[in-house]
Amino acid sequence: DVKVTQSSRYLVKRTGEKVFLECVQDMDHENMFWYRQDPGLGLRLIYFSYDVKMKEKGDIPEGYSVSREKKERFSLILESASTNQTSMYLCASSPLGVTSHNEQFFGPGTRLTVL
Amino acid sequence: DQQVKQNSPSLSVQEGRISILNCDYTNSMFDYFLWYKKYPAEGPTFLISISSIKDKNEDGRFTVFLNKSAKHLSLHIVPSQPGDSAVYFCAASALIQGAQKLVFGQGTRLTINP
Repeated sequence: DVKVTQSSRYLVKRTGEKVFLECVQDMDHENMFWYRQDPGLGLRLIYFSYDVKMKEKGDIPEGYSVSREKKERFSLILESASTNQTSMYLCASSPLGVTSHNEQFFGPGTRLTVL
Repeated sequence: DQQVKQNSPSLSVQEGRISILNCDYTNSMFDYFLWYKKYPAEGPTFLISISSIKDKNEDGRFTVFLNKSAKHLSLHIVPSQPGDSAVYFCAASALIQGAQKLVFGQGTRLTINP
């Protein structure tokens, strides 16, 4: 079974702090994604990566950066956390190329609260 | 602009009856459509999908219908069970910026009443 793990289930940080969210997948997938989920807005793509050291902006990259030094690990960084970044953060992975239905596999999520 | 829309934020259905969740999209380039189910404090899990060249796909109690001319798809759950209570996300797949990406709708919270 594909397993995507995220370093924390719940996180509370203060405004201005630097925040690291870590994601690890064990299926040797090339593609990795970071989303945030907010009520009424669904899942919105922040950044994605299709290879080690490669990254591409998603739909809402402002205030975030990412790092992918190893194939299995994709980190989301909030350089200076703000209250509007309070959200559920979801990591996902998928294999390279077109699969039978282009499924992405999700981690359990990190609920981040910025005070 | 929202390329994938789920216009019903919530739906309440009696146990044993049919649940119908709807989704509309605007981009004709989407090649697959997927439904994900999400429980609180868990990540979304894949439920069922349909290729853009099909109009129906069935898997047990779950059936997805695609109407390409109307750019509309729906998920039917029959019979509905209490364990089906969750948030359901519709997603559409396309090759964007060199990678297969998913575009998600806003989600519909389904509640199954005993």
